[in-house]
Amino acid sequence: AQKITQTQPGMFVQEKEAVTLDCTYDTSDQSYGLFWYKQPSSGEMIFLIYQGSYDEQNATEGRYSLNFQKARKSANLVISASQLGDSAMYFCAMREGWDNQGGKLIFGQGTELSVKP
Amino acid sequence: DTGVSQDPRHKITKRGQNVTFRCDPISEHNRLYWYRQTLGQGPEFLTYFQNEAQLEKSRLLSDRFSAERPKGSFSTLEIQRTEQGDSAMYLCASSSGLAGVSGANVLTFGAGSRLTVL
Repeated sequence: AQKITQTQPGMFVQEKEAVTLDCTYDTSDQSYGLFWYKQPSSGEMIFLIYQGSYDEQNATEGRYSLNFQKARKSANLVISASQLGDSAMYFCAMREGWDNQGGKLIFGQGTELSVKP
Repeated sequence: DTGVSQDPRHKITKRGQNVTFRCDPISEHNRLYWYRQTLGQGPEFLTYFQNEAQLEKSRLLSDRFSAERPKGSFSTLEIQRTEQGDSAMYLCASSSGLAGVSGANVLTFGAGSRLTVL
């Protein structure tokens, strides 16, 4: 069964506008972590933002925010004021269990974001 | 700190040959992970080390794959008798095992080693 689902293979957004990238997850663990990574064409995975399952407030990091809806098992990434440099693949990932159990991540299939000037 | 380094960045080989990839993690990181990423897909977990101990292996890691981290520093991933289906990007990541400023034990990835098997 797919643990991380990203239903948008590709998204377009106009420069300076906001965009939401969808992510739903499936786990029976009470403790887990949700991550978003950006992968530009160069290939390197760049960490953007993290949300812990027990965190009551949505995480924010600069122009990135994570819309965490625990009951719906969704962890959508919101990018405000899009820039041309935001064009890249975006991956949602989950760590199941506590971090001291290894910390490996399970990734979704990704969403390719294109920012139009 | 130069981040996670991977070598070589690109490797083209013929089917049946052996290949080896090297990963140098961030120096103070005790955890090291290998992932495989095929075109248009997300990274898939292969294996994980805590210091020199290999603590978890995915079923994706067939008998032809072996990973080592002999002194708890750099790691190697060897693929024997390569097949065309092995063509992929092999990503290495490391982490400290401690919560950083974001509150999480964040995996830092290298730029990857791209393998093409002809």
